[in-house]
Amino acid sequence: DARVTQTPRDKVTEMGQEVTMRCQPILGHNTVFWYRQTMMQGLELLAYFRNRAPLDDSGMPKDRFSAEMPDATLATLKIQPSEPRDSAVYFCASGLGAAAEETQYFGPGTRLLVL
Amino acid sequence: QQPVQSPQAVILREGEDAVINCSSSKALYSVHWYRQKHGEAPVFLMILLKGGEQKGHEKISASFNEKKQQSSLYLTASQLSYSGTYFCGTPHAGGTSYGKLTFGQGTILTVHP
Repeated sequence: DARVTQTPRDKVTEMGQEVTMRCQPILGHNTVFWYRQTMMQGLELLAYFRNRAPLDDSGMPKDRFSAEMPDATLATLKIQPSEPRDSAVYFCASGLGAAAEETQYFGPGTRLLVL
Repeated sequence: QQPVQSPQAVILREGEDAVINCSSSKALYSVHWYRQKHGEAPVFLMILLKGGEQKGHEKISASFNEKKQQSSLYLTASQLSYSGTYFCGTPHAGGTSYGKLTFGQGTILTVHP
């Protein structure tokens, strides 16, 4: 049963600390998305990779957020320094990304609380 | 641009029907529907493509009217397991944005016994 995995599932940290979230896409998927979900803003796209290349990170605060794909099995989202307003659930999703009808498969999410 | 969903929330009794609408201000060539249960990740339900076709998943079906730039999700004879937040997602066209979705704000569906 192929699934997207994310670690950690929960993270509590203090303002100013660095936070790294990891995602393992489904094997064979070449597209990875990072989303942030809050009650106020809903589901927002932060960054988007295809074949490990960043295609769009316009939704991401550039001064503190960074996203990378060191290899095809790992995507990372880093926040440095973290702020209380970063508290949210961060989802990673993967897909084949070949056409408009491609499905995105979401991981379980990382629930981040910045105190 | 974010698609607009209506209503924002629906409360049903088991066995009742509901319709959730999703409309966009830009031309659409497909609409994706996802359901998210509380504390869980969004899960794919179905994709509607050009041509006004309808699709089904359990007793959930959907239609897509590309001329009106809108899609509707029909939940028939609702079950307790249908409770959750329903999102529509609209893709961006072409270039490097291919496959990228913008999600609506969600419709919260609550089914009571």
